[in-house]
Amino acid sequence: QSVLTQPPSVSGAPGQRVTISCTGSSSNIGAGFDVHWYQHLPRTAPKLLIYGNNNRPSGVPDRFSGSKSGTSASLAITGLQAEDEADYYCQSYDSSLIGYVFGTGTKVTVL
Amino acid sequence: QLQLQESGPGLVKPSETLSLTCTVSGDSISSSSSYWGWIRQPPGKGLEWIGTIFNSGSTFYNPSLKSRVTMSVDTSKNHFSLRVNSVTAADTAVYFCARHGGSYLDNWGQGTLVTVSS
Repeated sequence: QSVLTQPPSVSGAPGQRVTISCTGSSSNIGAGFDVHWYQHLPRTAPKLLIYGNNNRPSGVPDRFSGSKSGTSASLAITGLQAEDEADYYCQSYDSSLIGYVFGTGTKVTVL
Repeated sequence: QLQLQESGPGLVKPSETLSLTCTVSGDSISSSSSYWGWIRQPPGKGLEWIGTIFNSGSTFYNPSLKSRVTMSVDTSKNHFSLRVNSVTAADTAVYFCARHGGSYLDNWGQGTLVTVSS
């Protein structure tokens, strides 16, 4: 069972903006631990999308952005494109579990 | 360019030991700045962190798997390994290896499916 909760699915038309929430607690996000985001297409390696709450690795389009507040974090995708259709996971560290934790995952569908 | 490749049996019998290796190219596994992780994804489910190993050999594991998991590093072969003993059908998953860039995982292997079945 994951300690980071995400909506199972979000959808949007091409060009629209969608956001994915990641809700944690005082032992992970709320404790100040960084949140990271991954994009995962079926049968491929997950790809780091955002690290350290709001930093994009080289090569990741600026359409992707991250934010964090309190015990939650969010990933925003602006100018949604067909290629953005994938599963997205948040990840952080939990001081109670003493280990890394992933979110439950969100499937993004481009209508 | 950093690449990671998982290898190992795709089928393991219940109660036996799952063994996987991750071969690293494009980076030295003994680099002081590198540490390495294993993650898995059961069919139809999300990602689960299994454990992390530092170049010193120090490890820390997911508490839910700790009693059955062992990770090790072989610097001479530039690879690291995962062993999960006493496997059950619940251990059926795609297993990924990855490099830590800090508390995040910045490079992943393609993953390998391991099925636990008699």
